[in-house]
Amino acid sequence: NAGVTQTPKFRVLKTGQSMTLLCAQDMNHEYMYWYRQDPGMGLRLIHYSVGEGTTAKGEVPDGYNVSRLKKQNFLLGLESAAPSQTSVYFCASRLAGDSRNEQFFGPGTRLTVL
Amino acid sequence: ELKVEQNPLFLSMQEGKNYTIYCNYSTTSDRLYWYRQDPGKSLESLFVLLSNGAVKQEGRLMASLDTKARLSTLHITAAVHDLSATYFCAVDRGGSNYKLTFGKGTLLTVNP
Repeated sequence: NAGVTQTPKFRVLKTGQSMTLLCAQDMNHEYMYWYRQDPGMGLRLIHYSVGEGTTAKGEVPDGYNVSRLKKQNFLLGLESAAPSQTSVYFCASRLAGDSRNEQFFGPGTRLTVL
Repeated sequence: ELKVEQNPLFLSMQEGKNYTIYCNYSTTSDRLYWYRQDPGKSLESLFVLLSNGAVKQEGRLMASLDTKARLSTLHITAAVHDLSATYFCAVDRGGSNYKLTFGKGTLLTVNP
C-alpha cells in the first residue's frame, strides 16, 4: 500500500513551458486535492475532485488545469509556467464516508520556474 | 470566507519547557486538524478534533477544540528537540466537499 504518491519530486521549468504533475493513490479514495505551499503561507487549495470525471476550483486556480480520468489519478497541469508558480505542490486524498474526514498527503513536488 | 490564524508563527523554546500554540478561525466549524511538517517533508497528521470539547493527547502534545470560541490549542509539555518542526492547523469549511483551510503554520524550534 503506497498511499499517495507524486511524480516528479523535483522539476525546473523555464517561463512559458508546460508540464503535468501526477498524483496517484491506491486507497480507493473518492476525493482528491491539489495544494500549493509557499513560504509563510500555509497550504492553499488549487483544485479538487470529488470523484472520477469531476473537478472543481479551489482558492487559487488561475494558471492551472486538472483532470481526473481515473479514480486513482489526479493530474495538475501548467500550460504556460510563470515564476509565480514556483512552489511546493502537495496532493491529498480522502475516503468518502470517512467520519474523520481526514486527508492524506503525498510527499510533494518542488517546482521552480525560471 | 473562512480565515484561520495561528500564533505564534515562530516559537523558540528550551527543552523541558511548556508552551501553547493557538489556532483561531473565523466561521463555524466543528472539525479541526493538526499536522506536523518536517523540513522538506510532507504533512503528517497529528490530531483530528471532531466536536466541541474534544481533547486528544499523544506523547508530549495535547490538542483541544472549543467550537464556541472558534479556538483550538496545541499544548507542548516538557519540549524535546525532536519536536522541532512546523505545525499547521486546518479547519474544515463545511459542506460536502470537505475542503480544508490551513493556518500559516508555527515554526517550532526546541533548543537544548
